[in-house]
This record gives sequence, C-alpha cells and structure tokens, in this order.
Amino acid sequence: SAVISQKPSRDICQRGTSLTIQCQVDSQVTMMFWYRQQPGQSLTLIATANQGSEATYESGFVIDKFPISRPNLTFSTLTVSNMSPEDSSIYLCSTRTGAEAFFGQGTRLTVV
Amino acid sequence: QKEVEQDPGPLSVPEGAIVSLNCTYSNSAFQYFMWYRQYSRKGPELLMYTYSSGNKEDGRFTAQVDKSSKYISLFIRDSQPSDSATYLCAMSGTGNQFYFGTGTSLTVIP
Repeated sequence: SAVISQKPSRDICQRGTSLTIQCQVDSQVTMMFWYRQQPGQSLTLIATANQGSEATYESGFVIDKFPISRPNLTFSTLTVSNMSPEDSSIYLCSTRTGAEAFFGQGTRLTVV
Repeated sequence: QKEVEQDPGPLSVPEGAIVSLNCTYSNSAFQYFMWYRQYSRKGPELLMYTYSSGNKEDGRFTAQVDKSSKYISLFIRDSQPSDSATYLCAMSGTGNQFYFGTGTSLTVIP
C-alpha cells in the first residue's frame, strides 16, 4: 500500500490567482496521477506524472492551466493557474501499487 | 456511452439493513474491479479489490463480479452508521488508467 499526504486540504482563492497542491508519498512510486472530482461526477483524470519526464495530460486539460512537477519519486505538485469559479472542485493525487490505486485526502478548492 | 455506470442513489437505510451497490461497464477488457469508500472531506480509500470474475468477502463486505453481464456489486451486511459514505466503483484493464463510477451516497440511519 501507499500513504499519500496532500495539502492544503482546502482553500478559498481569488479569481485570477494560482494555487499549488502538494502530494508526498511514503514510498517511492513510478507514476502519480492527478484527478478532479466534481459533485455528481466521476473522478476525472487530469494528468499522469512520471519522475524525470513531462506529464501526460488528458483531453481537455493543458499544461499552461495545470502545470505539474515531479522532482523525485515521492513528491509531486499540481498548480491550478489563473483560476476561475469553474475550477472550484476537489483535486486528488493518486498512485498505484500493482492494480490498486491509493489517494491523498483531497484539496477542496473554492474560487471566488 | 460512459465506460462505467453507477446507480446514482442516494441510498438511505436503517441500521442493520443489507445494502446493495452496483455498477455496470461497457469495456470487456476490464480485469480489475475495485470499490472505494469516501467519507466527507476525505480522499477515496480502497475497500475491496477483485481480479476477474467471482466473489470476495471481507467481514461484512462482499464484492461480486459478473464479467459475462459486465456487472459488479458490493453488498454490505448488518450496515452501521459508520458505513455512511460515498461508495465509488472503479475498474481498469492492462493500462494505467482507472475508470470510476460517479459514486453512490449511502446513509445508514441509527
């Protein structure tokens, strides 16, 4: 298994600003995943981050809006840039051990 | 058609009831089937994991997979107020991507 510490747990941000979310894993992992969870919707994969390479973004998500860093095998950040109210959501980081996924506790973002 | 469809709920049951949560899927390549429990303001936590078809039991929880019908279920026996949460089904094939249901909100009333 893997334990992921994610912070901040929640934030209220002004329109046009940026927020960086951090995730720390208690073991070295090859891949980390970033999801968005909106009310009444399934988890939507934003991007996959491998250490030492550019993140791979899913359709509808771009690097300028959601830059990701993966400086080592236990840490990753996701930045939500130039925020608008439509970015209000829960953001989750995740990793996998075998076929099992593990999640951080989530960041509840509200943009006003 | 969505990859994964989950009964929307929400469900409200009395304490001690048997709860049935269900998902259907369209991709026959899925081999790994999971149920996650998510408490309010928390990330999803893995509850049950099943590979391919069959049943798996863990205490009060039983996961069933019927690949021929592309249908998975989670049963909770003797439900407790502490079981009140959102339950997400998830599945994957040989690739890295997971496909999640929308979640079913369960409330167990004391």
